[in-house]
Amino acid sequence: IQMTQSPSTLSASVGDRVTITCRASQSISSWLAWYQQKPGKAPQFLIYKASSLQSGVPSRFSGSGSGTEFTLTISSLQPDDFATYYCHQYISYPITFGGGTKVEIK
Amino acid sequence: EVQLVESGGGLVQPGGSLRLSCAASGFTLSSYWMSWVRQALGKGLEWVANIKEDGSEKHYVDSVKGRFTISRDNAKNSLYLQMNSLRAEDTAIYYCARYSGESSFLNWGQGTLVTVSS
Repeated sequence: IQMTQSPSTLSASVGDRVTITCRASQSISSWLAWYQQKPGKAPQFLIYKASSLQSGVPSRFSGSGSGTEFTLTISSLQPDDFATYYCHQYISYPITFGGGTKVEIK
Repeated sequence: EVQLVESGGGLVQPGGSLRLSCAASGFTLSSYWMSWVRQALGKGLEWVANIKEDGSEKHYVDSVKGRFTISRDNAKNSLYLQMNSLRAEDTAIYYCARYSGESSFLNWGQGTLVTVSS
């Protein structure tokens, strides 16, 4: 299953509402997760089953979608949110990731 | 607190072998699937392998099948990745991760760098 993220790069300002899209090449129901990764660090788990927020993750992060189209939304971008975001499907093997979306400071 | 600490990375020649280890603490290893995920420098994430709680089921990405072997020793709280016939394209940071079929990759280690070069 191919996972396609868009955009690959996003320029935004603190306080902006940001939306990242992830598309699957076939239906994955809600078996999608999102991760945040900062340079030189391991990925951090944000959202599972498309819309369930992992414990401890700020509520400004939200996920939605099912089937083949999914979105990660940051309601009000904070300085700590500038990072690269990855989606991946885990409905079947091989587990596959999207190419990533880098959120940069505008 | 969940901790995953990888070790064993380094520089190896093409065709060579390397064994990565991941020391787990802060949770009961025998209750979770475990994973290896890699990331070439400056590139995206690539899932490599998963292993069931008791080691009875394993899955691999096609590019490493027949060359890599994932294993675990729950008594030693350890996960392993035996990598043989290494290629330049295997050069990456290798992360171990605690995995759940419901939630996916719950926790990640800090990674260990594997460089395959002559």
